[in-house]
Amino acid sequence: GIQVEQSPPDLILQEGANSTLRCNFSDSVNNLQWFHQNPWGQLINLFYIPSGTKQNGRLSATTVATERYSLLYISSSQTTDSGVYFCAVPITGTASKLTFGTGTRLQVTL
Amino acid sequence: EAEVAQSPRYKITEKSQAVAFWCDPISGHATLYWYRQILGQGPELLVQFQDESVVDDSQLPKDRFSAERLKGVDSTLKIQPAELGDSAMYLCASSLGTSNEQFFGPGTRLTVL
Repeated sequence: GIQVEQSPPDLILQEGANSTLRCNFSDSVNNLQWFHQNPWGQLINLFYIPSGTKQNGRLSATTVATERYSLLYISSSQTTDSGVYFCAVPITGTASKLTFGTGTRLQVTL
Repeated sequence: EAEVAQSPRYKITEKSQAVAFWCDPISGHATLYWYRQILGQGPELLVQFQDESVVDDSQLPKDRFSAERLKGVDSTLKIQPAELGDSAMYLCASSLGTSNEQFFGPGTRLTVL
């Protein structure tokens, strides 16, 4: 099945710093989602981004489907950005059965 | 803002007992999913409904797990009997259709003692 790998696995930032998280996938996909899982376990939707670039406040994402990767940019990080960031893509041959990546655990310190 | 509702938020049970989780999707969302997330890993799909019909339950351990969505709206996931290895976060998600963005509820954290 499709493999989804994220890097880096762990990231520690000082408040105010910028970061780039990467998601690589092994097969072509027709959609991709980025999530933030907060310390209480809730998955919060960040972006639904099959291709191109989207921005929402301090966050932006770019997916280059032809090269099988997506990037999540976090600017001016805040302590509330801490948590685990997942990308997810549909399993090959399905439109909706999401396979989640390995996750990036982010800790933002004062 | 419309949200996916789940209850209970936390459940502690002893092995061999029965447990049930409830999910109410965003109004109008035809597709409903149950995922299981083991600590330190990403969520994995257990079962997918399209309206009241099961679309995919290939990863559901059917000897002990069951899921229903009788009227095509809310859904219940049941485990009977619970085993120690079932301790995990159980997440419900919904989407307008099968190829649309999925939205997740707050989850039920299950601990089996």
